[in-house]
Amino acid sequence: NAGVMQNPRHLVRRRGQEARLRCSPMKGHSHVYWYRQLPEEGLKFMVYLQKENIIDESGMPKERFSAEFPKEGPSILRIQQVVRGDSAAYFCASYAGETPWNEQFFGPGTRLTVL
Amino acid sequence: RKEVEQDPGPFNVPEGATVAFNCTYSNSASQSFFWYRQDCRKEPKLLMSVYSSGNEDGRFTAQLNRASQYISLLIRDSKLSDSATYLCVVITGGSYIPTFGRGTSLIVHP
Repeated sequence: NAGVMQNPRHLVRRRGQEARLRCSPMKGHSHVYWYRQLPEEGLKFMVYLQKENIIDESGMPKERFSAEFPKEGPSILRIQQVVRGDSAAYFCASYAGETPWNEQFFGPGTRLTVL
Repeated sequence: RKEVEQDPGPFNVPEGATVAFNCTYSNSASQSFFWYRQDCRKEPKLLMSVYSSGNEDGRFTAQLNRASQYISLLIRDSKLSDSATYLCVVITGGSYIPTFGRGTSLIVHP
């Protein structure tokens, strides 16, 4: 999993603010997944992106959440008007897109706390 | 019924013990299965894939029972360093969307 970077590692926001989470995949990887892990829960799939393309966003809440993976730069998960229930660990994982699914590498996660 | 279910534990075992976890899945079209390990406040790391014929990696053995729709993980000769949460992951055929179990907590004590 070396090489997948997420920042910030910890983020504190007040209710109603915006949160931006960044994920830089491993070099050469063009696919990114985002997952959310609520306290004492398993990981939940949110969105699957390829550069400049959202492949599957079926796990994303319908409102306030959006994700992008531009041609240049990191993938961004954006949460608008955060609420306390958004407090969780957000992990991204990257892979090359041409290998079996399990060969993806997780970043260290961003822990979001909403006050 | 949840798509993927695991006993959250914790399983408290002494060093050297053998311990087994099960993970049941509800979708009969599930095709790919994996065990991940997650240490406290860290990211998940792939432990092993689960093959139809069963597979072994050192002290770890994974098995799949399609008829009863569960996978298992057996850890022999437990070490203190095996203490972690073990997540099972299931992918339905034709999909790239994984479903994670809630995880089973293992605590190995001296």
